[in-house]
Amino acid sequence: DVKVTQSSRYLVKRTGEKVFLECVQDMDHENMFWYRQDPGLGLRLIYFSYDVKMKEKGDIPEGYSVSREKKERFSLILESASTNQTSMYLCASSRGLAGAYNEQFFGPGTRLTVL
Amino acid sequence: QQPVQSPQAVILREGEDAVINCSSSKALYSVHWYRQKHGEAPVFLMILLKGGEQKGHEKISASFNEKKQQSSLYLTASQLSYSGTYFCGTSSGTYKYIFGTGTRLKVLA
Repeated sequence: DVKVTQSSRYLVKRTGEKVFLECVQDMDHENMFWYRQDPGLGLRLIYFSYDVKMKEKGDIPEGYSVSREKKERFSLILESASTNQTSMYLCASSRGLAGAYNEQFFGPGTRLTVL
Repeated sequence: QQPVQSPQAVILREGEDAVINCSSSKALYSVHWYRQKHGEAPVFLMILLKGGEQKGHEKISASFNEKKQQSSLYLTASQLSYSGTYFCGTSSGTYKYIFGTGTRLKVLA
């Protein structure tokens, strides 16, 4: 059974802290994505990666960075957390070089609260 | 720019049909549909590609009008299990997807 796992379901951090969200997939997928989900705004793409050490900005990359050192792992980093980064964060992966052709598999999400 | 979904919300009785629409301002290569139940991850339903190819659920149908840059998801004879939020995701041919804001669907017994 295909699986995307995220390191935490719930996380509470303080303003200014550095936050790491980890995502691991066991399907040998080339592509990995980070989204944030907010009520009324749907899923918005933060960053994606189509290969190890490769990354591309999505629609809302400000305040975030990513790291992909191994194929199965994609990390989202909040360099200095702010209250407006309180959200649900979803990781996803998909196979293949033609990313738009293949379905995405989503992790369960991390609900991050920044106080 | 995010694709626009309509309606934003819909309530049905079991057995009724529903149509969810997704419109983009950009030329599209593919449209994806996902369903997310409360507290769960989005789950893939269907992909429609430019040129007419489709892959996905047997019991769910969808259309893709390339000229109008629109897709519609058809839910027939709805069941309680169809309740959730439906998202369309659009791609102009790259790895990047842009998801719509979602349509909340509730099926009542």
